Amino acid sequence: ETGVTQTPRHLVMGMTNKKSLKCEQHLGHNAMYWYKQSAKKPLELMFVYNFKEQTENNSVPSRFSPECPNSSHLFLHLHTLQPEDSALYLCASSQDGRGSTDTQYFGPGTRLTVL
Amino acid sequence: GQNIDQPTEMTATEGAIVQINCTYQTSGFNGLFWYQQHAGEAPTFLSYNVLDGLEEKGRFSSFLSRSKGYSYLLLKELQMKDSASYLCAVPNYGGSQGNLIFGKGTKLSVKP
Repeated sequence: ETGVTQTPRHLVMGMTNKKSLKCEQHLGHNAMYWYKQSAKKPLELMFVYNFKEQTENNSVPSRFSPECPNSSHLFLHLHTLQPEDSALYLCASSQDGRGSTDTQYFGPGTRLTVL
Repeated sequence: GQNIDQPTEMTATEGAIVQINCTYQTSGFNGLFWYQQHAGEAPTFLSYNVLDGLEEKGRFSSFLSRSKGYSYLLLKELQMKDSASYLCAVPNYGGSQGNLIFGKGTKLSVKP
């Protein structure tokens, strides 16, 4: 238990569906992250939020839309996804994102399958 | 550009010692992380090295040589529960905050 929770743990959706992934951290951190983990590929950073402000968008397609209403919650809204978007989506948090040397704590991930 | 290399898979025997290597090429350097990830679970932080040398933490130790762009994770007295993927990561030097560059991970299988 790392103090970062994600729901749902598993999600199957069609290409025309709209769904949202939720992440919550109970660590009092100020920075939150979305990562994508595909089979046989490195973890890829998608978005970074620091004090609720988006500070990084790593060239992510617009069909992925993040939302950070406060420092404890992070959402990833999904619409018109493609089968190649099927992956494990991991959320992480760190004390603050001002330094890239902050230790990041990961949630268990959402296993997404796009049909 | 920045690049991280690790072996894809390794196998070792329960009770033995295993060394997982990581080499990196970065435009600058701000430390190196090791994470452990069991199948279907979250990566969990193991170590962070920013200075050269060996840092020991129980059965796990992590070594760094900045001049060689090289690190290793040493696991002693292997247990079955150590079967997992081990991820090497470096901060994206000069990139925005929080941007970690990960290797593909080394899948370690511990056999009885």
